[in-house]
Amino acid sequence: AQTVTQSQPEMSVQEAETVTLSCTYDTSENNYYLFWYKQPPSRQMILVIRQEAYKQQNATENRFSVNFQKAAKSFSLKISDSQLGDTAMYFCAFMKREATNNDMRFGAGTRLTVKP
Amino acid sequence: DAGITQSPRYKITETGRQVTLMCHQTWSHSYMFWYRQDLGHGLRLIYYSAAADITDKGEVPDGYVVSRSKTENFPLTLESATRSQTSVYFCASKPGSYTGELFFGEGSRLTVL
Repeated sequence: AQTVTQSQPEMSVQEAETVTLSCTYDTSENNYYLFWYKQPPSRQMILVIRQEAYKQQNATENRFSVNFQKAAKSFSLKISDSQLGDTAMYFCAFMKREATNNDMRFGAGTRLTVKP
Repeated sequence: DAGITQSPRYKITETGRQVTLMCHQTWSHSYMFWYRQDLGHGLRLIYYSAAADITDKGEVPDGYVVSRSKTENFPLTLESATRSQTSVYFCASKPGSYTGELFFGEGSRLTVL
C-alpha cells in the first residue's frame, strides 16, 4: 500500500520569505501523480500543484514550485514570496495512474502560518 | 457553475441515528469519492464510484453505505452513527480514470454525540 509522510506538523514563515514543506512517499509503482493541496480556514481543498512521475522537470505554478526526487521518493513544496493568504493546511497526496485503483493517498498535513 | 456541492454543511446527531450526507456534481464526472478528514490522518477514502451503479470500498468503509443511481449524486449514509464517525467529510469527483486531479466539495462537518 502507498503511504505519504509529512514530517512537519506545523511551520511558520515571515511574509515575503520562502518556505519549503517536505513530503516523502512509499510506493513500488512507476506511473503515478503527486499533488499538493491547500486547505485554508474555509475548509475548501484547493489544488496547488501537480507532478506526473514520468516527467523529470519539476512543476511550477507562479510562486509555488516542487522538488521532485523520484529515486528518493521525495516531493517538497517551495513557496516563494509568502503571502498572508498562504496560511493554510497543506496536504501532499499520491495517486496511482492505473485505472484499477483511483485511491488518492494523503499525508497528515502541514499547518503553515505566514506571519506579517 | 455550481460544481460539486455537499449538504448539509454542518450536522449534529446522536449515537445510533442514521445520517445521510448528500453530494451532487454538475460536471458529469464519472468518478466520485467520499473521504473523511481527521487530525493526524489527513484524508482517508471511505468509498468511491467509477460510474452509476458501480461502487467500491476504500480504506475505511466500515459503518458506511453508499449508492449511485445517478451519475450526479453520490450520497453517503451512516446507518447507525458512532462517536468515532465524528469527522469532516469531503465529497470529490474527477472526469475519468487517467485524470489525476480531484475536485472537492466544501466538506460536511458531522458531530456524533
